[in-house]
Amino acid sequence: DADVTQTPRNRITKTGKRIMLECSQTKGHDRMYWYRQDPGLGLRLIYYSFDVKDINKGEISDGYSVSRQAQAKFSLSLESAIPNQTALYFCATSGSSGSIQETQYFGPGTRLLVL
Amino acid sequence: GENVGLHLPTLSVQEGDNSIINCAYSNSASDYFIWYKQESGKGPQFIIDIRSNMDKRQGQRVTVLLNKTVKHLSLQIAATQPGDSAVYFCAESYGQNFVFGPGTRLSVLP
Repeated sequence: DADVTQTPRNRITKTGKRIMLECSQTKGHDRMYWYRQDPGLGLRLIYYSFDVKDINKGEISDGYSVSRQAQAKFSLSLESAIPNQTALYFCATSGSSGSIQETQYFGPGTRLLVL
Repeated sequence: GENVGLHLPTLSVQEGDNSIINCAYSNSASDYFIWYKQESGKGPQFIIDIRSNMDKRQGQRVTVLLNKTVKHLSLQIAATQPGDSAVYFCAESYGQNFVFGPGTRLSVLP
């Protein structure tokens, strides 16, 4: 079974709709992340959470919100979807060793199309 | 397939040859580096990592080299196989977050 799962895997929505992407992990990691990937660009960080009570904005948080429901669950919401939010979205997790960064492990991705 | 990899640099190698994929990173303070492999329709998969106190690290068929003087990272794949075809990208870490490169598409020719 996959350690990091994302639902849905594909989603088509219309401009103005609210949608939620969900991520679950069984790795027991404290840290979780949401990224988007666009053609020809590197992954860009939307939000991250270092534990259940910690939420931080990333590089491109405008138009998005997140919820850390439990250590294992981190959801991403688009409050009012717009076409330029069409992208691949990835959830990732990592362990924590104080200030030392650890490897991030990614889910399979959600392909989102906003019409 | 996915849109990942459009307009990316491409490296084409013959099956059985060695591949070298390069990455220039941006921050001289970065202290942790990772190489990922991303196949079509899948999420990035960890290949190998290296911390800034090392300049070389080897895994199974892969080697990562770090040159901090010129802020350069490379991934060497020995005896490249068809299953190695994918987009490869590097990530650098300073502080608590990562910065990801756009990637290089590796195409393995029969």
